[in-house]
Amino acid sequence: EDQVTQSPEALRLQEGESSSLNCSYTVSGLRGLFWYRQDPGKGPEFLFTLYSAGEEKEKERLKATLTKKESFLHITAPKPEDSATYLCAVRSSASKIIFGSGTRLSIRP
Amino acid sequence: GAVVSQHPSRVICKSGTSVKIECRSLDFQATTMFWYRQFPKQSLMLMATSNEGSKATYEQGVEKDKFLINHASLTLSTLTVTSAHPEDSSFYICSSLGGDGYTFGSGTRLTVV
Repeated sequence: EDQVTQSPEALRLQEGESSSLNCSYTVSGLRGLFWYRQDPGKGPEFLFTLYSAGEEKEKERLKATLTKKESFLHITAPKPEDSATYLCAVRSSASKIIFGSGTRLSIRP
Repeated sequence: GAVVSQHPSRVICKSGTSVKIECRSLDFQATTMFWYRQFPKQSLMLMATSNEGSKATYEQGVEKDKFLINHASLTLSTLTVTSAHPEDSSFYICSSLGGDGYTFGSGTRLTVV
């Protein structure tokens, strides 16, 4: 069964304290792994798409990496405005999008 | 980039009435639209997939007669919650493939009183 697990469920960091969020997945025929940011009461905002193991993408303080079993979202020197829920999703060969439960990130000034 | 416009952003309705939520793709053709439901502090649960000009495919456990989906054009898909009850109160979000990945609407907060 296709499954996406994110950890930790919640993470509180001090401003400037770098860390990583994890997304572990099992899927039949990966057709893409997606990272989204979601602010309260809003729809998810697209961050990255990764397709193959070894692929990396960066955007400002965020960097996403992918292996055959998991993906990491690295946050370098975060700022309070990076506080949000980060969602990971995978697309299977059946073209279904499966979301993880998200990591709620809070950055203290 | 690809934009999906979703309306309304918030709606309060009385129990037993129906509510329609619209999603429009503004600068691309959305052949397929995904409809999700999200409860507080939980992730997105796929409700149904709509394809332009054909019947929607509903996920297991989702009542198709309660959640009516229409995808009459390549730029518009609608979700109608019929005979709404308080347990239908939730955050509903649409999504389509556009741009670099799947683009989401801004969501609709439905409260049934």
